[in-house]
Amino acid sequence: DGGITQSPKYLFRKEGQNVTLSCEQNLNHDAMYWYRQDPGQGLRLIYYSQIVNDFQKGDIAEGYSVSREKKESFPLTVTSAQKNPTAFYLCASSITPGRDEQFFGPGTRLTVL
Amino acid sequence: GQSLEQPSEVTAVEGAIVQINCTYQTSGFYGLSWYQQHDGGAPTFLSYNGLDGLEETGRFSSFLSRSDSYGYLLLQELQMKDSASYFCAVRYNAGNMLTFGGGTRLMVKP
Repeated sequence: DGGITQSPKYLFRKEGQNVTLSCEQNLNHDAMYWYRQDPGQGLRLIYYSQIVNDFQKGDIAEGYSVSREKKESFPLTVTSAQKNPTAFYLCASSITPGRDEQFFGPGTRLTVL
Repeated sequence: GQSLEQPSEVTAVEGAIVQINCTYQTSGFYGLSWYQQHDGGAPTFLSYNGLDGLEETGRFSSFLSRSDSYGYLLLQELQMKDSASYFCAVRYNAGNMLTFGGGTRLMVKP
């Protein structure tokens, strides 16, 4: 089955530690996105990538970093510079950049203690 | 950044019809989408409107009025499984980013 996988589902880290969230897709989509969702709120774009080896900052990129070395993979690193990293992180993809239909992974709930 | 306005909560009974509104800033507007998200789950795409009018997909319909900077999602024959959060999302300036609203939590009661 085609889709997007994110691992792990739940992640706990100590304050001051960097952590990398995994996102893999086998849909052969060109574009991939990372969103942050806080309780009771909408999705805010962290980074997006239109093509391999290219990525652009979204609205809240500070304290985060990404890479896109393979079409299928778009990992997100939450660095110690992110002031309030506890949140629900969602990865998405679309067949091409600029398509409004995005396909989402199940999300990773990160808790920083 | 651009902001979208939608009600935070709506309650309706099974079998009823409910309308969830979304207003947006006009400048650079390109298109309006709707997503559904169950608690703790992944958002799923419901519909897209680029032009004025109504788009129908089964029990769900979405409407856009560009002149009023307004759209809505209409859910008919409500079922308990429709209890979820619904987000409108706007693309501005034909760019590659979607801006999401804060979401409307729909509670369907028996």
